[in-house]
Amino acid sequence: GAVVSQHPSWVICKSGTSVKIECRSLDFQATTMFWYRQFPKQSLMLMATSNEGSKATYEQGVEKDKFLINHASLTLSTLTVTSAHPEDSSFYICSASRTSGLPPYEQYFGPGTRLTVT
Amino acid sequence: AQTVTQSQPEMSVQEAETVTLSCTYDTSESDYYLFWYKQPPSRQMILVIRQEAYKQQNATENRFSVNFQKAAKSFSLKISDSQLGDAAMYFCAYKGVISNFGNEKLTFGTGTRLTIIP
Repeated sequence: GAVVSQHPSWVICKSGTSVKIECRSLDFQATTMFWYRQFPKQSLMLMATSNEGSKATYEQGVEKDKFLINHASLTLSTLTVTSAHPEDSSFYICSASRTSGLPPYEQYFGPGTRLTVT
Repeated sequence: AQTVTQSQPEMSVQEAETVTLSCTYDTSESDYYLFWYKQPPSRQMILVIRQEAYKQQNATENRFSVNFQKAAKSFSLKISDSQLGDAAMYFCAYKGVISNFGNEKLTFGTGTRLTIIP
């Protein structure tokens, strides 16, 4: 149980276009999902926290107009990188927090999406 | 704000030997959770072990155990009988307890790259 999927696993797009990444919790309901960005050989940097049915909370320094997050259901959150540029190339990871059962409501991570902007 | 520090960017250990990865954190909260995550070359984040701050007993999961020193704000991971499959990046992470809703974020350390020498 507690499986999180991401789609696509790898995407290449041209500069100036937009790309959408999906994050799904497959076998549990996730009121909260998190989006991270990871540069090579670095740690995970939290971009935003999204709660189902409400606006995402962005971390300081993250452009909310560039990284659009939608959490429309208890099993799906999407990250759209708008007007992508080469500097947006990175590894994007989502996680989902199970909110049934007992704390600590662990985060379960998706396999990540590699975005390359040419 | 909470911070997590991993002072060992790289560690190596002989196969079948024991290695300890260090982690310190800073917080003013009295209740929180600590985690060790493993990120192998596939980049899938895998939970290794977790510790509840209110528990004095150190957590253990098979070959993995922690040394949790709450007063010193230290949370080290010991890997016994190291195996080739243990080679990965290891991240220490902190999660506060603001509510029982489960939407508190994880704060990650910078990671320790563990190499297993055959």
